[in-house]
Amino acid sequence: DTGVSQDPRHKITKRGQNVTFRCDPISEHNRLYWYRQTLGQGPEFLTYFQNEAQLEKSRLLSDRFSAERPKGSFSTLEIQRTEQGDSAMYLCASRTSRDTGELFFGEGSRLTVL
Amino acid sequence: AQTVTQSQPEMSVQEAETVTLSCTYDTSESNYYLFWYKQPPSRQMILVIRQEAYKQQNATENRFSVNFQKAAKSFSLKISDSQLGDTAMYFCAFMKQQGGSEKLVFGKGTKLTVNP
Repeated sequence: DTGVSQDPRHKITKRGQNVTFRCDPISEHNRLYWYRQTLGQGPEFLTYFQNEAQLEKSRLLSDRFSAERPKGSFSTLEIQRTEQGDSAMYLCASRTSRDTGELFFGEGSRLTVL
Repeated sequence: AQTVTQSQPEMSVQEAETVTLSCTYDTSESNYYLFWYKQPPSRQMILVIRQEAYKQQNATENRFSVNFQKAAKSFSLKISDSQLGDTAMYFCAFMKQQGGSEKLVFGKGTKLTVNP
């Protein structure tokens, strides 16, 4: 069990550029979550998948954000036309349907938009 | 909508002593889960302890225990015999037990420092 892995761990980009983050969940976990965490705040829910289906999206997920999980395994989170306000830690987490709530988190992908 | 409030942005404790972190929440749900997660510096978040709202007995995990007061919507975390490795951000979180939404709602966190 290698845990939840995220790539890249750090990304620095200029405003207006597109960025993509990848998350590989724990292999038997069918549920995958994306959260955003800004400095001094708790994680805020963005979206979650059960297998390949995206079942819930937060209003925080503007039309510049898109998430996919095409084969029900890894997931990508793309941010188009980045803005300075997008600077944050993007956390991925996974779990099985059976678990009563425990999420297994990755170490996160830190985005800095200049 | 559910909200989670952690009123202590920072706390410190001496090694081997006991510390209590506070959490209150607001919900109209009767069935839900509450959690405390720990986020060490530059490391991933991990679950510390979990409480099902229908259980009256407070959850315990080794040195960690909770005081769950359902009527008061309070869920505090007690850390006994504090260790240097307990230094971290601690987040209280809420999740509905059923009814569709699967998301954890987090508080803003409490930064705990354990001093030698």
